[in-house]
Amino acid sequence: DTGVSQDPRHKITKRGQNVTFRCDPISEHNRLYWYRQTLGQGPEFLTYFQNEAQLEKSRLLSDRFSAERPKGSFSTLEIQRTEQGDSAMYLCASSLVVTGGSYEQYFGPGTRLTVT
Amino acid sequence: DAKTTQPPSMDCAEGRAANLPCNHSTISGNEYVYWYRQIHSQGPQYIIHGLKNNETNEMASLIITEDRKSSTLILPHATLRDTAVYYCIVEYGNKLVFGAGTILRVKS
Repeated sequence: DTGVSQDPRHKITKRGQNVTFRCDPISEHNRLYWYRQTLGQGPEFLTYFQNEAQLEKSRLLSDRFSAERPKGSFSTLEIQRTEQGDSAMYLCASSLVVTGGSYEQYFGPGTRLTVT
Repeated sequence: DAKTTQPPSMDCAEGRAANLPCNHSTISGNEYVYWYRQIHSQGPQYIIHGLKNNETNEMASLIITEDRKSSTLILPHATLRDTAVYYCIVEYGNKLVFGAGTILRVKS
């Protein structure tokens, strides 16, 4: 079990550019979540996948944001036409969900995005 | 969604027990209480969770009141490495809704 990994760890981009982040969950975990965290705040939910299906999206996820989990393993989060307000830490988490049980989420180290 | 209330900050002496309170008066019967912590610039780390009964693991103990309207996370012997933001979360659907948390400062 190597934990949740995210790549890159840091990204600096200019306003208007597109960026893509990758998340590799813990193997065998069927759920994958994306959160966003700005300075001084707790993480905010963006979206989650059950296997390859995207089951819920937050209103925070504007049309410029898209997430995929094509084979039910790794996931990508793309932001198009970045804005300065997109500067944040983007966190990925995964969990193993069994019907009727409770489940903890395991977080990756995050990708810190800075839009200049 | 059920909300939680935590003190913004607490101090604890190294080696002593740290008791972090959380109020969740609107929790519903099938919602779990989760605790996570976040050390500066790292992703949140799962600590413990519970439904009704008290729980203990290698990191901490969770005490949930009988009416389930509040809980306490106990770190039995706090160390400097336990300095972090601690989040009490009531599971809402399939996502975690984080509040502002409690900044715990462990001091030598």
